[in-house]
Amino acid sequence: GAVVSQHPSWVICKSGTSVKIECRSLDFQATTMFWYRQFPKQSLMLMATSNEGSKATYEQGVEKDKFLINHASLTLSTLTVTSAHPEDSSFYICSASSDRGYYNEQFFGPGTRLTVL
Amino acid sequence: AQSVTQLGSHVSVSEGALVLLRCNYSSSVPPYLFWYVQYPNQGLQLLLKYTSAATLVKGINGFEAEFKKSETSFHLTKPSAHMSDAAEYFCAVSGMDSSYKLIFGSGTRLLVRP
Repeated sequence: GAVVSQHPSWVICKSGTSVKIECRSLDFQATTMFWYRQFPKQSLMLMATSNEGSKATYEQGVEKDKFLINHASLTLSTLTVTSAHPEDSSFYICSASSDRGYYNEQFFGPGTRLTVL
Repeated sequence: AQSVTQLGSHVSVSEGALVLLRCNYSSSVPPYLFWYVQYPNQGLQLLLKYTSAATLVKGINGFEAEFKKSETSFHLTKPSAHMSDAAEYFCAVSGMDSSYKLIFGSGTRLLVRP
């Protein structure tokens, strides 16, 4: 149980275009979802936290107008990178948690590799 | 405020040798502590977690960790390394509140020599 999927697993786009990444909890209702960014050989950096039906809470230094997060249902959250530029190239990982008995545990998706040309 | 320090960005062991990955935490509230493993180009997989029950926690793949409050440590060990253990390992801390936010350490890359 507690499986999280991401789509796509990798994407290459041209500079200036927008890219949408989906994060789905497949077998549980995710009351909270998290989006992380990971640069090569570095740790995970939390970008934002989203609760179903609410606006996302962004970490300091993360541009909310550039990284649009929508958590429209208990099983789906999306991250849209708007007007992407090469410096946005990174590995994006989502995670999901539930307030129904998972002891603060986050379940991670497999990640999405974004390359902006 | 919470933080995690992982000593050693790289640890190299021989196959069959003891694995010890160090993690120290700082937390103003009783913490939940986690160890995750990440293989190249993949997400994170939970190895084990401490949630204020037993201080010695056993996880998957033969790993275990001991919560030592007096030392503010949560080191990860495995008696005998296997080649398949080569990966990046992250220690993380979370507060016992409803935010579920994880604070990650910088990670330790485990290399296993044949």
